[in-house]
Amino acid sequence: QSVLTQPPSVSGAPGQRVTISCTGSSSNIGTSHDVHWYQQLPGTAPKYVIYGNNYRPSGVPDRFSGSKSGTSASLAITGLQAEDEADYYCQSYDTSLSASVFGGGTKLTVL
Amino acid sequence: EVQLVQSGAEVKKSGESLKISCKGSGYSFNSFWIGWVRQMPGKGLEWMGIIYPGDSDTRYSPSFQGQVTISADKSTTTAYLQWTSLKASDTAMYYCARQEGGPTSTFDYWGQGTLVTVSS
Repeated sequence: QSVLTQPPSVSGAPGQRVTISCTGSSSNIGTSHDVHWYQQLPGTAPKYVIYGNNYRPSGVPDRFSGSKSGTSASLAITGLQAEDEADYYCQSYDTSLSASVFGGGTKLTVL
Repeated sequence: EVQLVQSGAEVKKSGESLKISCKGSGYSFNSFWIGWVRQMPGKGLEWMGIIYPGDSDTRYSPSFQGQVTISADKSTTTAYLQWTSLKASDTAMYYCARQEGGPTSTFDYWGQGTLVTVSS
C-alpha cells in the first residue's frame, strides 16, 4: 500500500479535461515538500511532467498543470489527446520515513 | 546532453549476488544525486534510495535498507545497485535517475532501466 493514494484509473474522451488526485498526509504532502508528477508510457522509463507542485519542464505541453492544497495534490490534463494515454505517478517526500515516496499510479485511458 | 545508461538485463538464481550499473554523462556527475527506483511486474514505482557521488552520502528507503547497497565511482561516473543474495521477489525493472536536489526533488533524467529476473 502506497503512502500517497491515487485512483487506479481515470478516463476521458479526446478533447476533455481529466484530473488525477494524489492524497497524502501531514507527514508528506501536508508539509512544505513539493509534489512532482511523472508520465510513464508503456514499456518506457517515466518522464517528469510537473515539478515543484505546478511547474512544467521544457517540452511538456501547457495542457498539463499541477496544484497542491493541504494534504492533496492534483494533475490536470486539458484537451485530452490519444498520446496522453499512460500511467501517471505523483511523488513527494515523507518526513516520518525520511524518504521520497511515490503514489500507486493512475492509468489514464483516452476513450 | 545528459544521459544515464544502465547495464543490460540480468537473469540470476535465488541466492546469487548481483551488481547493476548506471553511467552518467553530459553533466557534473559529482554534483547531482542519483537515485534508484524499483518497478515490479505490472506494479508502480518504488523509491529505493539515493547517493550523492561527491561525498558518497547515501540515503535508503526503510523498505530497502539492509536489502541492497547503493554506491558510486566518481572516476568512472557510474552509480551501482547491488544485492548479496537475490530472492525471487527481487524480479523487477530497476531504473536509475538523477534527483537533482536530493530526496525532496524531482527525478529529471532517467536511465532506460535494467530488467532483473530471479528464478527460484
